[in-house]
Amino acid sequence: DTAVSQTPKYLVTQMGNDKSIKCEQNLGHDTMYWYKQDSKKFLKIMFSYNNKELIINETVPNRFSPKSPDKAHLNLHINSLELGDSAVYFCASSHRRQLIYEQYFGPGTRLTVT
Amino acid sequence: AQSVTQLDSQVPVFEEAPVELRCNYSSSVSVYLFWYVQYPNQGLQLLLKYLSGSTLVKGINGFEAEFNKSQTSFHLRKPSVHISDTAEYFCAVSDVGSGYSTLTFGKGTMLLVSP
Repeated sequence: DTAVSQTPKYLVTQMGNDKSIKCEQNLGHDTMYWYKQDSKKFLKIMFSYNNKELIINETVPNRFSPKSPDKAHLNLHINSLELGDSAVYFCASSHRRQLIYEQYFGPGTRLTVT
Repeated sequence: AQSVTQLDSQVPVFEEAPVELRCNYSSSVSVYLFWYVQYPNQGLQLLLKYLSGSTLVKGINGFEAEFNKSQTSFHLRKPSVHISDTAEYFCAVSDVGSGYSTLTFGKGTMLLVSP
């Protein structure tokens, strides 16, 4: 049973397009995150939501817009894609009160912008 | 703000040899420390964590790490590695009592185990 799932696993698109990546967790966690892993494998937090409320918003272009319809889902929409957006995007989740500092990661979405 | 330094970008080792992956951190407050492993084309998996108590922490797959506050280090060790341990290993730190779990990652160390 998949704990944190992401779709799609691979996404190839052209510059200027708009795309979305979906994330779902079935762990009952109340906090979800988006991370970006660049070509050098460096991982950096982008956003975090707790109970559908945005709590972390790092310096990310406003072309990136997270949306959390409920506690179990956190989607990432990207407008006007650029070459530099090519990366692997990881979704993660945790439970703020119980396993507050233990995050569970999804398998990642490899985005390639041509 | 915290930062994490993983001193080695790549560590080659022979199968059944011991290995140590180094991690140092800096923070103005108390921290929690983590090691994550990323197998090729997969997401991150938690290996072990230090929150409090004993400074020697045991994790999955035979790994352990020791928290050294004076040296601000959290080095990962395994006495005998297997080919299947070949992966990228990330050290991460989080503020104690920050309210929300924000992880700051190091740049990763690629462990390459050869026969």
